Amino acid sequence: EDQVTQSPEALRLQEGESSSLNCSYTVSGLRGLFWYRQDPGKGPEFLFTLYSAGEEKEKERLKATLTKKESFLHITAPKPEDSATYLCAVHLAIYGGSQGNLIFGKGTKLSVKP
Amino acid sequence: NAGVTQTPKFRILKIGQSMTLQCTQDMNHNYMYWYRQDPGMGLKLIYYSVGAGITDKGEVPNGYNVSRSTTEDFPLRLELAAPSQTSVYFCASSYVSGPYEQYFGPGTRLTVT
Repeated sequence: EDQVTQSPEALRLQEGESSSLNCSYTVSGLRGLFWYRQDPGKGPEFLFTLYSAGEEKEKERLKATLTKKESFLHITAPKPEDSATYLCAVHLAIYGGSQGNLIFGKGTKLSVKP
Repeated sequence: NAGVTQTPKFRILKIGQSMTLQCTQDMNHNYMYWYRQDPGMGLKLIYYSVGAGITDKGEVPNGYNVSRSTTEDFPLRLELAAPSQTSVYFCASSYVSGPYEQYFGPGTRLTVT
């Protein structure tokens, strides 16, 4: 059973058409939720960390929010250069370990057409 | 700062061959990680290290080995390559443990035939 689920798997938008990506999690002991952007053939690039329900963070056209069971990545007036796969990951505190563990979702592939 | 660098970028191996994927970071991070990414799947943790000389298994360690002799380098060794190890491998690092961002390298695309 997936502990981190991202939806939709793929999203096509027209330039300027705002929308949201969803990341829901079923884990307990959440210590942080991360959003990354991944361009084709490249490594994930860090965007945001959210630590507690109600927290929001913004960067240019992106805004990330967190509730007790899910996070949203809102994209306002997207541009073609926002096309990428957006990954969500949760950080858990594992018993007896100080490092913890990152669990990644499968990602949402966003395409923005001009 | 180059950040996290990985070599090679691409490699094709035959079944049973061995190879080492190199990873170097110049950010003086204590923590380093190896992930694999398969099509349509989330990143899976293979091994991680909390400092020179200290490594531990992640979620999918079978078929891999690691070592950490310096803060900067964290090589991943495949001893007997199998088709199931065809994947894209990412190395990452972070300054501290816990819920802090990890910085990723550009990846190594490995095909085992």
